[in-house]
Amino acid sequence: QKEVEQNSGPLSVPEGAIASLNCTYSDRVSQSFFWYRQYSGKSPELIMSIYSNGDKEDGRFTAQLNKASQYVSLLIRDSQPSDSATYLCAVSGGGADGLTFGKGTHLIIQP
Amino acid sequence: GAGVSQSPRYKVAKRGQDVALRCDPISGHVSLFWYQQALGQGPEFLTYFQNEAQLDKSGLPSDRFFAERPEGSVSTLKIQRTQQEDSAVYLCASSLQGRTRGDTQYFGPGTRLTVL
Repeated sequence: QKEVEQNSGPLSVPEGAIASLNCTYSDRVSQSFFWYRQYSGKSPELIMSIYSNGDKEDGRFTAQLNKASQYVSLLIRDSQPSDSATYLCAVSGGGADGLTFGKGTHLIIQP
Repeated sequence: GAGVSQSPRYKVAKRGQDVALRCDPISGHVSLFWYQQALGQGPEFLTYFQNEAQLDKSGLPSDRFFAERPEGSVSTLKIQRTQQEDSAVYLCASSLQGRTRGDTQYFGPGTRLTVL
């Protein structure tokens, strides 16, 4: 059974600092990795996707993937209060099958 | 263009009632997914359609849950004889391709089902 593990938090980070969110997954054949942001009462919104080992940067966001360690992370630079949300890590295998989500990390950016 | 839409946004049902939840995917999207999200949890996969074909229903929790997408566009998730444990947000997502690695899934606003 595929599992995705995240620290539920809350993770509290001062405004302007770097927020670091981590995720581990159990299925070695997983090929695609996603970070979704979910505000309270809203639906998940895609922040980043990553498929290859290494770093992928998009604006203030950097996703990091290490398939050997089965670990994926998300860094948010210059954190803003609007970044306060739950961040969901999601994993899929080959093909357009359903995503397996972690429980999410609740991030709080303190002004 | 318009995103994924779902209706109703909120549904209250008495235990034992049948409910039907509707999803309108993004126009032209081949793949459609249903997820169930309990309070404080991440979404859990229920079922997957490629056009009108239901290719994976391994996540449906019981035979009380049934989903269809007869014309390859709009989908309906039906729950028969609802139970309190069915209370959750039901999310629909669509993606452009069929069976393409890492195709982005776009989520609708969800239907919050409360079973009394």
